[in-house]
Amino acid sequence: RKEVEQDPGPFNVPEGATVAFNCTYSNSASQSFFWYRQDCRKEPKLLMSVYSSGNEDGRFTAQLNRASQYISLLIRDSKLSDSATYLCVVNRGTGGFKTIFGAGTRLFVKA
Amino acid sequence: NAGVTQTPKFQVLKTGQSMTLQCAQDMNHNSMYWYRQDPGMGLRLIYYSASEGTTDKGEVPNGYNVSRLNKREFSLRLESAAPSQTSVYFCASSEVWRGANYGYTFGSGTRLTVV
Repeated sequence: RKEVEQDPGPFNVPEGATVAFNCTYSNSASQSFFWYRQDCRKEPKLLMSVYSSGNEDGRFTAQLNRASQYISLLIRDSKLSDSATYLCVVNRGTGGFKTIFGAGTRLFVKA
Repeated sequence: NAGVTQTPKFQVLKTGQSMTLQCAQDMNHNSMYWYRQDPGMGLRLIYYSASEGTTDKGEVPNGYNVSRLNKREFSLRLESAAPSQTSVYFCASSEVWRGANYGYTFGSGTRLTVV
């Protein structure tokens, strides 16, 4: 079993739809969590950190459930430009060398 | 503001050839990393450097070597390329403060094919 698991998708949604991605992690000692976005043939870019209390950035909402060991990303009012792969990232502990990347969930938003 | 710059962007090698991937960051980050990304798999850490003068193995170090030349530069060397090293390679840097990682900045990647 992978330490960080994501549904690979693809998710195909129409513009304006709300879409949610989940990510599960197996190491209960994980301390910090992030969502990255990766466009086709490009480098990953930090989308947002995920805080215990949940956090929102415009149309994007991230939540953490430590008890069930999963994080989620909700995208409201999807835009064509949201089409990308979304990577779940978990830090097992301090420092970058304990960072685990999920394989990503592909999203296609269609007109 | 260049961020993380890596070269080359594309490379084709024959089995057994060697090459060095170059990476430089201008964000004054202490920590730098080399990852590879293969289809259907997450990014896998090859080597990292927590600070200038130190390097450590990651998840998949076999067949690679690294050099942290100074605070800005971190290079990855393939001594004898193998087809299994065909991949997309990303260099990254990050701010680590009081042991907590505040997110990576990635270079644009190197697409390497070994034939």
